Amino acid sequence: SQQGEEDPQALSIQEGENATMNCSYKTSINNLQWYRQNSGRGLVHLILIRSNEREKHSGRLRVTLDTSKKSSSLLITASRAADTASYFCATEARETSGSRLTFGEGTQLTVNP
Amino acid sequence: SQTIHQWPATLVQPVGSPLSLECTVEGTSNPNLYWYRQAAGRGLQLLFYSVGIGQISSEVPQNLSASRPQDRQFILSSKKLLLSDSGFYLCAWSRGDGYTFGSGTRLTVV
Repeated sequence: SQQGEEDPQALSIQEGENATMNCSYKTSINNLQWYRQNSGRGLVHLILIRSNEREKHSGRLRVTLDTSKKSSSLLITASRAADTASYFCATEARETSGSRLTFGEGTQLTVNP
Repeated sequence: SQTIHQWPATLVQPVGSPLSLECTVEGTSNPNLYWYRQAAGRGLQLLFYSVGIGQISSEVPQNLSASRPQDRQFILSSKKLLLSDSGFYLCAWSRGDGYTFGSGTRLTVV
């Protein structure tokens, strides 16, 4: 079953604006990850934040994690047309038989030039 | 460096035909391997994962099966495809932090 739920489902902004996508989940996790997918392509790992971390930065990306609310946000600053893609959050809960990554339904981001 | 290969990129198969999708990983040993399926405009659904040779865990009951004959080889199979098996199939591996995905196979069952 899908644990992560992103909102909004779709987001359209102008180049230069910031884009914020949110993710909520239901069970305990070891970490939460964000991935990007260009249309018809594989997923690319963007950033991982552990359950004991609250905020993480990578270039123009900023991820926050609130384990009390079971939610995360991905902020892309100064967006570019090339940022147009689908963004997925995924939660990882380590189990006795190996870790499993559970994905949300994704947010389709369109950055207009 | 670690790489993951998945093929073919696209496949059109008739209903009732068999399926074999192959995924191989290079540059690492004893990875966890995964098969995901993605319906159009949707998130990824975990189908199978493997923590070692011959060890397969199935997440969703269906007419698909997976095998891991070698440490860095993961195969997705079906004896008879259904129309509902159409989708985008992604192989992935992990050995710790973050997953690396293959480029995917778009399967259309006609």
